Amino acid sequence: QVQLVESGGGVVQPGRSLRLSCAASGFTFSSYGMHWVRQAPGKGLEWVAVISYDGSNKYYADSVKGRFTISRDNSKNTLYLQMNSLRAEDTAVYYCASAGEFGCSGGSCYSGAFDYWGQGTLVTVSS
Amino acid sequence: SYELTQPPSVSVSPGQTARITCSGDALPKQYAYWYQQKPGQAPVLVIYKDSERPSGIPERFSGSSSGTTVTLTISGVQAEDEADYYCQSADSSGTRYVFGTGTKVTVL
Repeated sequence: QVQLVESGGGVVQPGRSLRLSCAASGFTFSSYGMHWVRQAPGKGLEWVAVISYDGSNKYYADSVKGRFTISRDNSKNTLYLQMNSLRAEDTAVYYCASAGEFGCSGGSCYSGAFDYWGQGTLVTVSS
Repeated sequence: SYELTQPPSVSVSPGQTARITCSGDALPKQYAYWYQQKPGQAPVLVIYKDSERPSGIPERFSGSSSGTTVTLTISGVQAEDEADYYCQSADSSGTRYVFGTGTKVTVL
């Protein structure tokens, strides 16, 4: 069965960096786009970033653009989120989710449903 | 930035029908998706492409679309349906994704 397992969360000081990982199994990881989504304590869901199946297309929410980098290693079936210059408002549970399908053409993209989700990893930014 | 608006809460008695709306300017051009989230759990997809139901999701969950508004309907609500529900879509270019503000469904 499909399994997504996030890791790498923890407590980090403002301004520091952290890298999250998402290990995928049970499906052909290299064929799927992948998203990161976060949820601050007691708040709603916020989309963070998406990456195409081959890593050639990446898009970010304005709140993280220039600070976060999404990447993937298809040989390891793993998705990453490098988070730099962390702020208190980045405190959240971070989920990875498979996109079902994701493709871009002529500056426009399409993502399928966020059909499978991991259980999330908590990132706390605090001094 | 693009936003999707949902009512904060909906209350319904068991066996009745719950309807949750989601409004956004790009909804006529982009599909909407609905997710159910129970406390301490990851979200679960309950409706995709406006009105399609994934396998394993009960038939009482349905979706519809009209102009800039999409609606999730739960017919014959059961106690286990008490949860937060989020709509999700994309901006007109499909390069920014957005979740609705979320609706807490309470089963009385």
